[in-house]
Amino acid sequence: KNEVEQSPQNLTAQEGEFITINCSYSVGISALHWLQQHPGGGIVSLFMLSSGKKKHGRLIATINIQEKHSSLHITASHPRDSAVYICAISLGWGSGGSNYKLTFGKGTLLTVNP
Amino acid sequence: DTGVSQNPRHKITKRGQNVTFRCDPISEHNRLYWYRQTLGQGPEFLTYFQNEAQLEKSRLLSDRFSAERPKGSFSTLEIQRTEQGDSAMYLCASSFPTTGNTIYFGEGSWLTVV
Repeated sequence: KNEVEQSPQNLTAQEGEFITINCSYSVGISALHWLQQHPGGGIVSLFMLSSGKKKHGRLIATINIQEKHSSLHITASHPRDSAVYICAISLGWGSGGSNYKLTFGKGTLLTVNP
Repeated sequence: DTGVSQNPRHKITKRGQNVTFRCDPISEHNRLYWYRQTLGQGPEFLTYFQNEAQLEKSRLLSDRFSAERPKGSFSTLEIQRTEQGDSAMYLCASSFPTTGNTIYFGEGSWLTVV
């Protein structure tokens, strides 16, 4: 079983819809990351969370440490939001940078139609 | 500074040939990571450097793979005697503690072994 599970794997929405992508993990973490990957490869970090909620523009990320669950919400979705959204965890604080290496989910392919 | 730079972006090679990828992290980022991503999967950790020291290697990194970061700045990932199973995107990322450990990714280097 993967340490990081995302759902759904694929999501198709109409422009303007509210979108939710879920991420569950099975181990203690220091931080959870939401990342965006467009076709062609490049990955952009959207959020890094250790508790609570963060908002950036139309994107909102929440995390429940006790439940080991995080959600990424997109309000008023737009075709340019179409991408793969990836949840990743890092396992520990401490001085060792290897604690910050990421374990990734498989990603959620979001397609927003006009 | 324009972010994490990787080259070449695309490489097609014949089975058995050696290939080398280069990563230039963001200036002053002391932590550098290599990941591998195959189609439809999330990235998987390969190796981690703090400055010039390679502090962790995944079991995914067989003897045919070697990574270096000789002066603590750019890094190279070499694959010897390539196999078709090596076909993937090789992603480099860097971070620095005082930026809250936000991880910055390069655009990736696509390898196709024919």
